[in-house]
Amino acid sequence: SSELTQDLAVSVALGQTVNITCQGDSLRNYYASWYQQKPGQAPVLVIYNKNNRPSGIPHRFSGSTSRDTASLTITGAQAEDEADYYCQSRDSGDKQHFVFGTGTKVTVL
Amino acid sequence: QVQLQQSGPGHVKASETLSLTCSVSGGSISTYYWNWVRQPPGKGLEWIGYIYFSGGTNYNSSLKSRLTMSVDTSKNEFSMRLTSVTAADTAVYYCARGDRGWLEDYFDYWGQGTLVTVSS
Repeated sequence: SSELTQDLAVSVALGQTVNITCQGDSLRNYYASWYQQKPGQAPVLVIYNKNNRPSGIPHRFSGSTSRDTASLTITGAQAEDEADYYCQSRDSGDKQHFVFGTGTKVTVL
Repeated sequence: QVQLQQSGPGHVKASETLSLTCSVSGGSISTYYWNWVRQPPGKGLEWIGYIYFSGGTNYNSSLKSRLTMSVDTSKNEFSMRLTSVTAADTAVYYCARGDRGWLEDYFDYWGQGTLVTVSS
């Protein structure tokens, strides 16, 4: 099965911009989706279909992809954005299987 | 608004079977597909598998030999059973609705999560 690698942790000053990256071979062929997870809560979908936001997700969240790397950008980070973020994609070996990234802890300073 | 409500025991003895059910409200189970995802304490997310309303399934290769999923369209609910559990199966288990695009699959609605602890 394929793997999706993320930085373990990143920090961002309040109101500044942070990029969270996700690298893996499957991203050369498939889009990544992104999830936000706060402590003790279920994950929440924040980006799908490369750069679409579900209803209720703030405009400051955006997604992009290049070659084997997908990125989630938070423009103007807020205190409530402090959370774990996971990318997810199809498995490059079997598109009917799915894989999550290793997760990135975002701290808002 | 679609809601997923999970039920099932929070403790299972080692070597026994873990069983969880997810009830879907606010929408029909006869569209989309229905997933299970787990998260060991302090660790990341792992996709377990999914089931269609028709009963068709797809399982994570690492769990396939111990895993069975089922669906009851009359009750709008789906379930999973994981046999011969060990401490390594201790995790928060989530159910989630899956949707599919041309180049992606994603999970747009999630259950509340159930912490299942396997003890000896």
